[in-house]
Amino acid sequence: GNSVTQMEGPVTLSEEAFLTINCTYTATGYPSLFWYVQYPGEGLQLLLKATKADDKGSNKGFEATYRKETTSFHLEKGSVQVSDSAVYFCALSDTNTGNQFYFGTGTSLTVIP
Amino acid sequence: EPEVTQTPSHQVTQMGQEVILRCVPISNHLYFYWYRQILGQKVEFLVSFYNNEISEKSEIFDDQFSVERPDGSNFTLKIRSTKLEDSAMYFCASSEIVLANYEQYFGPGTRLTVT
Repeated sequence: GNSVTQMEGPVTLSEEAFLTINCTYTATGYPSLFWYVQYPGEGLQLLLKATKADDKGSNKGFEATYRKETTSFHLEKGSVQVSDSAVYFCALSDTNTGNQFYFGTGTSLTVIP
Repeated sequence: EPEVTQTPSHQVTQMGQEVILRCVPISNHLYFYWYRQILGQKVEFLVSFYNNEISEKSEIFDDQFSVERPDGSNFTLKIRSTKLEDSAMYFCASSEIVLANYEQYFGPGTRLTVT
């Protein structure tokens, strides 16, 4: 079946540090992959997505590359800011399984000045 | 920017009571969803809804759960007789179309605590 496994948190980094949040997946069809972010008191917002193998999604300095050979979609940012403090969710949707999303557990990131 | 809204933000109820969680999806969206996240666990799909009927549901969505679009703007999730294990964050989402590569827009969630 479909599932997403996400790096457990919480993660605490100093400002300007390099960020990696690992995400791996299993899927029965041809999944699209997403990273959502949830800032305190707000809904899950789409951060970036990739719809086929080797695609790179990017937004606000964050990047993630769809790696079919390692079934991974790791989130990276070269230099985090305090404003990046949030919970990050990896998710997939699969052409074979209708319109539901499959999520990981979420990773809480705190960036300290 | 249009957004999905949910009320209340936090609901406390006693076991066995009925609760209704409310959502206002984005106005031109046609597909609506409920997900939940038990503390420390994954966000799980409950149900999707289109054209005034359920289009998909998970095994979690048993007879204790129901969804309704009572008017042109609200989308509700009802739990008839709450159990302790229903305590979770409940997220509503909507989308304009249904394609595997198309995003869903999520609300901020309702935290349900069953005592």
